[in-house]
Amino acid sequence: EAEVAQSPRYKITEKSQAVAFWCDPISGHATLYWYRQILGQGPELLVQFQDESVVDDSQLPKDRFSAERLKGVDSTLKIQPAELGDSAMYLCASSFERGDEEASPLHFGNGTRLTVT
Amino acid sequence: GEDVEQSLFLSVREGDSSVINCTYTDSSSTYLYWYKQEPGAGLQLLTYIFSNMDMKQDQRLTVLLNKKDKHLSLRIADTQTGDSAIYFCADLNTGFQKLVFGTGTRLLVSP
Repeated sequence: EAEVAQSPRYKITEKSQAVAFWCDPISGHATLYWYRQILGQGPELLVQFQDESVVDDSQLPKDRFSAERLKGVDSTLKIQPAELGDSAMYLCASSFERGDEEASPLHFGNGTRLTVT
Repeated sequence: GEDVEQSLFLSVREGDSSVINCTYTDSSSTYLYWYKQEPGAGLQLLTYIFSNMDMKQDQRLTVLLNKKDKHLSLRIADTQTGDSAIYFCADLNTGFQKLVFGTGTRLLVSP
């Protein structure tokens, strides 16, 4: 079964440093999501792409976070500078949905666990 | 905004049935999902139900939806130790194309 690929699996960084995460969605999936999951909580949406366009980034802390999906396939999420409170699991998900079509389930990758020291 | 609530813990014995409950506030929900998360892993889609259905069965899993009360449940029959994990309920509001997750229910299955 096709999977959403994420790397790295784990990342430890010092505060004020820059960090980047990569995601490759399931082939053919138009919609890509980045979620942040703090320990003991459910995932919260950071940013949603439809192809290469941002659909929703209302919860993305834009002073330090950025996300791009330049060719509408894989995506990068960056944090600069990292803060202690950014320690969390960063999950990428994708779905086939293309706007007006019937919603399709989100498929998640295994995530990147970020620890900021 | 939308809110999804779940109880935090559930403990059952192997072979028993488990019932995990979820309530949501969004009146525009179209799909509701159940995901499973094992330690250190991503979320695995278990099943989902369209809002015009009231029940869906898939092998050991039964989903019940009471749309009037905005209540969703997941029943796992013959629960096994491998079912121990955190289970997340999630609500899709297609108006905003946004999936909102509950806080998760930790299921512990003892032998």
